[in-house]
Order: sequence, then structure tokens, then C-alpha cells
Amino acid sequence: DAGVIQSPRHEVTEMGQEVTLRCKPISGHNSLFWYRQTMMRGLELLIYFNNNVPIDDSGMPEDRFSAKMPNASFSTLKIQPSEPRDSAVYFCASSPMTGDSNQPQHFGDGTRLSIL
Amino acid sequence: GDSVTQMEGPVTLSEEAFLTINCTYTATGYPSLFWYVQYPGEGLQLLLKATKADDKGSNKGFEATYRKETTSFHLEKGSVQVSDSAVYFCALKKGGKLIFGQGTELSVKP
Repeated sequence: DAGVIQSPRHEVTEMGQEVTLRCKPISGHNSLFWYRQTMMRGLELLIYFNNNVPIDDSGMPEDRFSAKMPNASFSTLKIQPSEPRDSAVYFCASSPMTGDSNQPQHFGDGTRLSIL
Repeated sequence: GDSVTQMEGPVTLSEEAFLTINCTYTATGYPSLFWYVQYPGEGLQLLLKATKADDKGSNKGFEATYRKETTSFHLEKGSVQVSDSAVYFCALKKGGKLIFGQGTELSVKP
């Protein structure tokens, strides 16, 4: 079975540019999560969706970050304009049902983002 | 608020040594508890889980027991292998969200 698919795997761009990260969750999963991982702050939940609707975006660092989920099989995380401090590994994860605390989240391999 | 604290790494062991990675949590209610493992260049993978007090999760020789009285979920393995070298994350789940510890890096030498 295909897991969570993220693209690109690596992104290097100059500060001020727009960055778009993409995620395809596992088919049938109706919850989707975006995380950021850095050495200093560890794993941080940025936002999560349930049935394509954003439920909690309290982890989104600032207005430069936005996330969308136009349908059940696709989500984007956008940074505009990007800054060097946004450099991190961004993970997408999905799970079958948010309300069931027993269900684990399945993670993609991440996008390693470097802002120069 | 809810939080997870893990022992600091890196932990360096010789092959076949006994492993313990401590994890304690702070949470209201009774969260589900998880251990995830991250191999270099990859995303996190579920290693094991426990959903209520005294449950023992196990997988690939790893075990952890949900201890409500000590709010702990320590990870153990009787004999580690070089292939176990990775970063291990303890996490609790409340309200649909996972709250992770800071991760513990394990390095196993042959």
C-alpha cells in the first residue's frame, strides 16, 4: 500500500520566494497533519485537518504560513515570503479518524527545506 | 498543559546491550501513549502503542508499559542491534493531536 507521499523531498530556495509543499495522504484517511521538525524545537504540530476542514491551526507560526486541503487526497503548505528561519524538515501525516485516540498517525518521508 | 519528557540523548550502546529510554508525561485524563522511531532521512514510524493503564505495547523486541501511577511509558529492549540506531520519540495523543517528546538518539556500535 502507498504511504503518505510528500513532494518535493528537498527544496532549496532564496529568502523572499514562495514555497509550496505538497502531501497526498493515505487513501481512506480523513485526518491530515502538518509538522515541522528542527533541532532547536523538535517536532511541532502546525495544523491539522479533519475531513478537509482545518480543525486546529494554532501551531502555524505566522501569517506567512498557510495550508489548504481542497480534497481528501491532497494538501499544500505554503510559505510566502520565505525566511531563513523557516529552514526545517516538514512532515505530513495522516490517520483514519481523529476522534479515535487509538489510531496512530502515518508519516511521510518529509520535505527538507533550506532557505538561503 | 499536556507534555512529554524523554531522557536526553545521545545514548550509545554496544550490540546486544539492554536498552531503556525513559519517558514521562503530564496530561489530564487518560491519553493513549505511543513510541515512534525515525531512521535517518525518513519520517516517523509507529513502533508500539498502549491505550490504557497497565497495557503493554510490544513490537520488534521493544516493549513499553503504560504506568499511570508514575505517569511513565519507558521503552525497553533486551538486546539491541546496530539496525536499531535511530531517534526514538515518545508521544501522547489527546483530542486528536499527538504531543511528542524531544526525541532520544540511539547509536548502537558493533
